[in-house]
Amino acid sequence: KQEVTQIPAALSVPEGENLVLNCSFTDSAIYNLQWFRQDPGKGLTSLLLIQSSQREQTSGRLNASLDKSSGRSTLYIAASQPGDSATYLCALWESSNYQLIWGAGTKLIIKP
Amino acid sequence: KAGVTQTPRYLIKTRGQQVTLSCSPISGHRSVSWYQQTPGQGLQFLFEYFSETQRNKGNFPGRFSGRQFSNSRSEMNVSTLELGDSALYLCASSQIQGAGEQFFGPGTRLTVL
Repeated sequence: KQEVTQIPAALSVPEGENLVLNCSFTDSAIYNLQWFRQDPGKGLTSLLLIQSSQREQTSGRLNASLDKSSGRSTLYIAASQPGDSATYLCALWESSNYQLIWGAGTKLIIKP
Repeated sequence: KAGVTQTPRYLIKTRGQQVTLSCSPISGHRSVSWYQQTPGQGLQFLFEYFSETQRNKGNFPGRFSGRQFSNSRSEMNVSTLELGDSALYLCASSQIQGAGEQFFGPGTRLTVL
């Protein structure tokens, strides 16, 4: 059974730092992996989608990588800002059950 | 292009009642998926509709049902509400069935008293 893990559960860093959020999965048979952010009490905002055949995707200060062989994806945030404070979730489409499987999220706090 | 909209945004019901939530996808998107989010269980998949047909279903009891209309708008119904149904219900739309990029609405916060 596919399991998605995000460590750490929470992270607090000073403004301006570059940081990496981790997403690990147990079964490499996936279609794609998507990163989202969620602000408190709000819906989810799609950040980046990586297809299984891709190694990385970039959008502005965000870069997401995918390594299926090691069961790992990372979200790199450059020059963090207080507005980046949110919970970041990864989710992947698995091939067997054909549904989106979610990590529990990393709550990120950027201190001014 | 307008995003995914969900109505109502907030709902308070009592145990035993039923509730209907609505989701309008992004124009041109034919897939609508529903998720339940709770602090204890995180995000859990309820079901996906594509072209008015349920294509996939998560592990929820039969009290949870849905449908999709010809204009791709979708409704989710929960009958005989239980306290444990209190959650944020999110819908997502996608251009393609299944493994497409998901775009989420703001959610409906359901509180069951």
